[in-house]
Amino acid sequence: KAGVTQTPRYLIKTRGQQVTLSCSPISGHRSVSWYQQTPGQGLQFLFEYFSETQRNKGNFPGRFSGRQFSNSRSEMNVSTLELGDSALYLCASSFPKGGTIRLPSYNEQFFGPGTRLTVL
Amino acid sequence: KNQVEQSPQSLIILEGKNCTLQCNYTVSPFSNLRWYKQDTGRGPVSLTIMTFSENTKSNGRYTATLDADTKQSSLHITASQLSDSASYICVVTWNSGNTPLVFGKGTRLSVIA
Repeated sequence: KAGVTQTPRYLIKTRGQQVTLSCSPISGHRSVSWYQQTPGQGLQFLFEYFSETQRNKGNFPGRFSGRQFSNSRSEMNVSTLELGDSALYLCASSFPKGGTIRLPSYNEQFFGPGTRLTVL
Repeated sequence: KNQVEQSPQSLIILEGKNCTLQCNYTVSPFSNLRWYKQDTGRGPVSLTIMTFSENTKSNGRYTATLDADTKQSSLHITASQLSDSASYICVVTWNSGNTPLVFGKGTRLSVIA
């Protein structure tokens, strides 16, 4: 099985611009989560999508948004970029083993290689 | 506040030696704890996942322990190899609808010849 793929791998933008990142999960996985990783804060959870619905959201401003398509592929968008948005953005897919919409039960997550975003 | 603290921040050891990385958490209610290995420039890869009732879990030369009473976990690496050089991240999942994963900032391990 192919792993999680993310495109593009590297991106350079300037302040005020917007950016869209793409993630293709492992075939059969329906849950996609997004994370931001910076040297200072480490990994931080952005949001999770399952069956085209946002199921969980981290503590990030509304400039960060995402969506999931019927084939489970996901995109995240960051509008009005700030210098502090420079980070490695990681996507992870999993096959949730049950739980409820509010209290999902997680299987192992498989991470993609990430997109390195640099904001100048 | 739900937090995961890892120590040490960085560690340098000689090839062939053993080492132990620590993870303390205050996350509640606890669901499971995971250790990930992240090579430079790559996404994290899962090493172990432990639930509340599991005390020890091994994956080759990696052995993770969990003490749910003291909310501490450790990752022991035996007979280290140069390829073990990476960041090791402890992640705790809790039973909540929001921000279900709490990450430690990782321990940067360097194995030298």
